[in-house]
Amino acid sequence: EVQLVESGGGLVQPGGSLRLSCAASGFTFSSYNMHWVRQAPGKGLEYVSSITSNGGSTFYASSVKGRFIISRDNSKNTLYLQMGSLRAEDMAVYYCARLTGVLDYWGQGTLVTVSS
Amino acid sequence: DIVMTQTPLSSPVTLGQPASISCRSSQSLVHSDGNTYLSWLQQRPGQPPRLLIYKISNRFSGVPDRFSGGGAGTDFTLKISRVEAEDVGVYYCMQATQFPRTFGQGTKVEIK
Repeated sequence: EVQLVESGGGLVQPGGSLRLSCAASGFTFSSYNMHWVRQAPGKGLEYVSSITSNGGSTFYASSVKGRFIISRDNSKNTLYLQMGSLRAEDMAVYYCARLTGVLDYWGQGTLVTVSS
Repeated sequence: DIVMTQTPLSSPVTLGQPASISCRSSQSLVHSDGNTYLSWLQQRPGQPPRLLIYKISNRFSGVPDRFSGGGAGTDFTLKISRVEAEDVGVYYCMQATQFPRTFGQGTKVEIK
């Protein structure tokens, strides 16, 4: 069974940093591109970042470019999102997802709250 | 980036009646491999999104056959033949033909 379990969310002050993790199981993690998608309270889904299966290429939404870094450790089956210079508008539930366009899976999400 | 546009944004439906959601992409979703990677996601209240339909019309494992998808190129449709109470939620189209993945704004299906 495919499982994606996010962790690392919490309350952070504006300008602060946070690192999210996503532990994957039930599939060959190293064979898949992976993605982060977020959802602000009461809003729709917003793409955040992607990383190719070997970590060689990364992609970012313009709203987070230069502030967020996506990475992965295939030996630990784990995806990461290092978030810096956090703003109020970054407050959201962050989902880790495998989005191949065929057999897609989503984690339960982790909530990031940005507030002083 | 490919822009995905859904209509309507809200769909009040009577139980047992059909519902239909449209999704239009700003460019063709036909991939160089010949496939069209258009998916439909369902998000029930308080839950993460889950895959319903992939490659336009293929139901994911466990999805009831009252859900069907169709379309081609840039225009796609999700239909629910007879809405049930458990279908309440927000439905999103998503394209996986190109990076980055992009989503429609979401259509809220609610019971009248």
